[in-house]
Amino acid sequence: GAVVSQHPSWVICKSGTSVKIECRSLDFQATTMFWYRQFPKQSLMLMATSNEGSKATYEQGVEKDKFLINHASLTLSTLTVTSAHPEDSSFYICSARDLAAANEKLFFGSGTQLSVL
Amino acid sequence: QKEVEQNSGPLSVPEGAIASLNCTYSDRGSQSFFWYRQYSGKSPELIMFIYSNGDKEDGRFTAQLNKASQYVSLLIRDSQPSDSATYLCGGTSYGKLTFGQGTILTVHP
Repeated sequence: GAVVSQHPSWVICKSGTSVKIECRSLDFQATTMFWYRQFPKQSLMLMATSNEGSKATYEQGVEKDKFLINHASLTLSTLTVTSAHPEDSSFYICSARDLAAANEKLFFGSGTQLSVL
Repeated sequence: QKEVEQNSGPLSVPEGAIASLNCTYSDRGSQSFFWYRQYSGKSPELIMFIYSNGDKEDGRFTAQLNKASQYVSLLIRDSQPSDSATYLCGGTSYGKLTFGQGTILTVHP
């Protein structure tokens, strides 16, 4: 199956700093990538849809100025958590859809565990 | 109403039994449905996807879709302890994939 690489796998940072998470589709092109957040024992919550070459679409309640998304190429999307606070500590997962595939299957990255002290 | 809802469980079955996981969705325009398995601390992995009414089988897994009833299910035959995980049902709507709250499955020896 298609491979989505996400890193870092985990990051610990101080409150007030910014953290960048990268999501790469390794063997396919993706015009659309999705960013999810998952708190312990909860399901995946869609944060935003990242569109190559255009602005991301954010879900209701997600602050676009806090979670900056850049999708500069067909294989790379980045999520930057700006001025992180302890409540931003969570598991962040990206996913991508193969542009060439006829279905809507999503492939997930391995996730990033963010801990804000 | 949530777009996708699952029977949250937890569900416990003995080894060798059939595990049945259920999911309903609210958007009649949803086209495709997915079952992902997630182990604790890990990212979800795709098990099955289905977009046509009826059954779809892959090994020990069978996905069932009933669009009239807006219902999706996953059957796991001959359940193994390694099947113990959280199972996420997802449906696509307007190009986005949203998930139910997940069902925790435990298969005990």
